[in-house]
Amino acid sequence: SQQGEEDPQALSIQEGENATMNCSYKTSINNLQWYRQNSGRGLVHLILIRSNEREKHSGRLRVTLDTSKKSSSLLITASRAADTASYFCALSDSWGKLQFGAGTQVVVTP
Amino acid sequence: DAGVIQSPRHEVTEMGQEVTLRCKPISGHDYLFWYRQTMMRGLELLIYFNNNVPIDDSGMPEDRFSAKMPNASFSTLKIQPSEPRDSAVYFCASRKGQPNEKLFFGSGTQLSVL
Repeated sequence: SQQGEEDPQALSIQEGENATMNCSYKTSINNLQWYRQNSGRGLVHLILIRSNEREKHSGRLRVTLDTSKKSSSLLITASRAADTASYFCALSDSWGKLQFGAGTQVVVTP
Repeated sequence: DAGVIQSPRHEVTEMGQEVTLRCKPISGHDYLFWYRQTMMRGLELLIYFNNNVPIDDSGMPEDRFSAKMPNASFSTLKIQPSEPRDSAVYFCASRKGQPNEKLFFGSGTQLSVL
């Protein structure tokens, strides 16, 4: 099964700090995506990085991808209380099948 | 656009009953995915369609589960008969075109089987 494994499972930080979470996988991928889920809601797409890309930025988000190590990281800079959510990495194969990891639960305290 | 629309939002039923979950994808999207989320198993891909045709149903847990997409604007996930272990949040998501496109999720259906 092509699912990512996120680390850590949970993360608690204070507003203004940076939050970093990692995703490791075992098979080849077409792209890797990060999603956010607020409690009781559907998932919302954050950023997509293709297998031939190494780094992407979107606002306060920075994603890296190391295909040799089969790992990715998501960095949220200058975190806010509104960033409190669960974050999931999702792996896409060349057919577009998208499978999600278990997620990292992030709590940002004011 | 209204986004991906799922109904019902909540469903409570008794063991043995038939349950039908509904999804309307975003207009123009040609991929539709059904996921199930539980604390124990996380987000599981059940099945996905391309142009109304099921592409991969390897995640469907048992013959009790079936999914259809009769047209581009409607899909159903049916559980018959339902069991307490089917209790979960079921999400539908849609996407337009190639794999390098993002998924849009519905708000989910919270299913409780008593």
